[in-house]
Amino acid sequence: EADIYQTPRYLVIGTGKKITLECSQTMGHDKMYWYQQDPGMELHLIHYSYGVNSTEKGDLSSESTVSRIRTEHFPLTLESARPSHTSQYLCASSGGGSNQPQHFGDGTRLSIL
Amino acid sequence: KNQVEQSPQSLIILEGKNCTLQCNYTVSPFSNLRWYKQDTGRGPVSLTIMTFSENTKSNGRYTATLDADTKQSSLHITASQLSDSASYICVVSDRGSTLGRLYFGRGTQLTVWP
Repeated sequence: EADIYQTPRYLVIGTGKKITLECSQTMGHDKMYWYQQDPGMELHLIHYSYGVNSTEKGDLSSESTVSRIRTEHFPLTLESARPSHTSQYLCASSGGGSNQPQHFGDGTRLSIL
Repeated sequence: KNQVEQSPQSLIILEGKNCTLQCNYTVSPFSNLRWYKQDTGRGPVSLTIMTFSENTKSNGRYTATLDADTKQSSLHITASQLSDSASYICVVSDRGSTLGRLYFGRGTQLTVWP
């Protein structure tokens, strides 16, 4: 039911490649987030955005970068992928006040060989 | 240190039975507590959000309780179904920033057997 989409769902790619994970939402939410999740572990915030042209780093240090040129689009880029980047990446958005839920996409499972 | 601890780590129950999942937190200042359901290979889906003044909230067969004094929450699932098999994640938000920093538990992995 959530109107937030991530592509690709799965990506297996070699070391050194440049990767862009796409995230789009159709709810008009100003706030968007990227999380990293490993099996059995909690979600870790790696990037967030309050709105267009606003991006901030999260709690978990990440070599990835993000951009927010349009409200609905929040892509994440890895310039040179390494095996340590293997993980699940979840995108989320939220609107309104701090008591609004985050709506999550179904994630991109990234494997770097 | 702000933390969210969930128990049990995993749980197996038979279809039709009830179960209760626990969440203890040390997050301060407290803003709200959320329960999410995450199916395998999917993103988390919000079940409930409770603020300081709310001590119970229901969503169908899911009922969450909150004791802000003891910093404990529980999620009770009634008449479990096979589709309830998932990870249930407790998330606590603080009031320390405009963003409302979220602290995630590691989840309880629930398996419902027929």
